[in-house]
Amino acid sequence: GAVVSQHPSRVICKSGTSVKIECRSLDFQATTMFWYRQFPKQSLMLMATSNEGSKATYEQGVEKDKFLINHASLTLSTLTVTSAHPEDSSFYICSALTRSSYNEQFFGPGTRLTVL
Amino acid sequence: AQKVTQAQTEISVVEKEDVTLDCVYETRDTTYYLFWYKQPPSGELVFLIRRNSFDEQNEISGRYSWNFQKSTSSFNFTITASQVVDSAVYFCALYPPPKNEKLTFGTGTRLTIIP
Repeated sequence: GAVVSQHPSRVICKSGTSVKIECRSLDFQATTMFWYRQFPKQSLMLMATSNEGSKATYEQGVEKDKFLINHASLTLSTLTVTSAHPEDSSFYICSALTRSSYNEQFFGPGTRLTVL
Repeated sequence: AQKVTQAQTEISVVEKEDVTLDCVYETRDTTYYLFWYKQPPSGELVFLIRRNSFDEQNEISGRYSWNFQKSTSSFNFTITASQVVDSAVYFCALYPPPKNEKLTFGTGTRLTIIP
């Protein structure tokens, strides 16, 4: 089946630093990837839709300058949390969309970000 | 607008009991897909099932079964003879391709199986 990886799986950083999270589709090409954020005991909240070769589409309320998304290739999308603050601490999950008949999304294992 | 409601926030049952997780959805699309995902403590979403709107047959996979009722816009999930390993958060999700590729998740049901 389709596999999506995320790196790093866990990161702890100091307030004010920037953190980059990578999302890779390992065995398929993904023209569209999604980035979600999940707070403890809450559901997944879609942050943005990332399309290869074009600018990401952000959901309402998500700061594009804060969460920079780059989808430079068909197998890689990155999310950079700029000038991270403790309130950015969360679980970030990416998914990649296949172009099968089901247009199914495959999810990465997630990245747990802790900002001190 | 689309919406998925999982009214049960938390459920606890004793091991070997059966348990049903409810999912009610709202959509104006006639073609859509419904999903169930399991999220264990590790955090990784595990795909359980996909059902398209034209297929109302119930499905059974081992101890898991799903009941899709289009008339009531429900897609309920039953675990038979629950086990401790079933403890997780379960999400129901709605996906209406092709014009809108966004998954709409429910708020999740936290299931605890008591040994």
